[in-house]
Amino acid sequence: KQEVTQIPAALSVPEGENLVLNCSFTDSAIYNLQWFRQDPGKGLTSLLLIQSSQREQTSGRLNASLDKSSGRSTLYIAASQPGDSATYLCAAQYPGGSYIPTFGRGTSLIVHP
Amino acid sequence: NAGVTQTPKFQVLKTGQSMTLQCAQDMNHNSMYWYRQDPGMGLRLIYYSASEGTTDKGEVPNGYNVSRLNKREFSLRLESAAPSQTSVYFCASSGGLAGSYTQYFGPGTRLTVL
Repeated sequence: KQEVTQIPAALSVPEGENLVLNCSFTDSAIYNLQWFRQDPGKGLTSLLLIQSSQREQTSGRLNASLDKSSGRSTLYIAASQPGDSATYLCAAQYPGGSYIPTFGRGTSLIVHP
Repeated sequence: NAGVTQTPKFQVLKTGQSMTLQCAQDMNHNSMYWYRQDPGMGLRLIYYSASEGTTDKGEVPNGYNVSRLNKREFSLRLESAAPSQTSVYFCASSGGLAGSYTQYFGPGTRLTVL
């Protein structure tokens, strides 16, 4: 069974810090890897999707990388702001079937002023 | 373009009552999903529909039924609610350009079963 692990479960940083969130997956035959953001009491919003043929994707202050051989993806947030406070989840999709994603349990991020 | 919508937003049921959670998407997606999210358990797939007319069980299907009414709508029914079904329920959809399987989520339904 594919598993996705996110460490740490929680993170608190001061505003302005650059930070890295980690996502590990057990099966390297990945189709793509998605990063989501979830605000309290809200649904998930897709941030970045990295295809298996790609090494990274960037959107504004966010950069996500994918290393299939090591089974890892990282989400880099530059110059963090209090508005970045949320839970960040990663999900791995594998080929075949209906591409059902396997979700990690998320990293809860607090950026304090 | 509303994306994925869910009704109701909140619901309180008594044990044994039934209800249907509604979900609709306007992105012409083929696949739709129902998840539940519980503290410490993460997101767990209940049922999914890869295309109109098909449904399949996910990780935690017991106590639930689904209907893919048409391409836009996918409903989740609790026939006899139990306290263990207290959770936040999310509907999602995916599909579109080949190779792009981004999932889009609705705002969720917060269900309490007393």
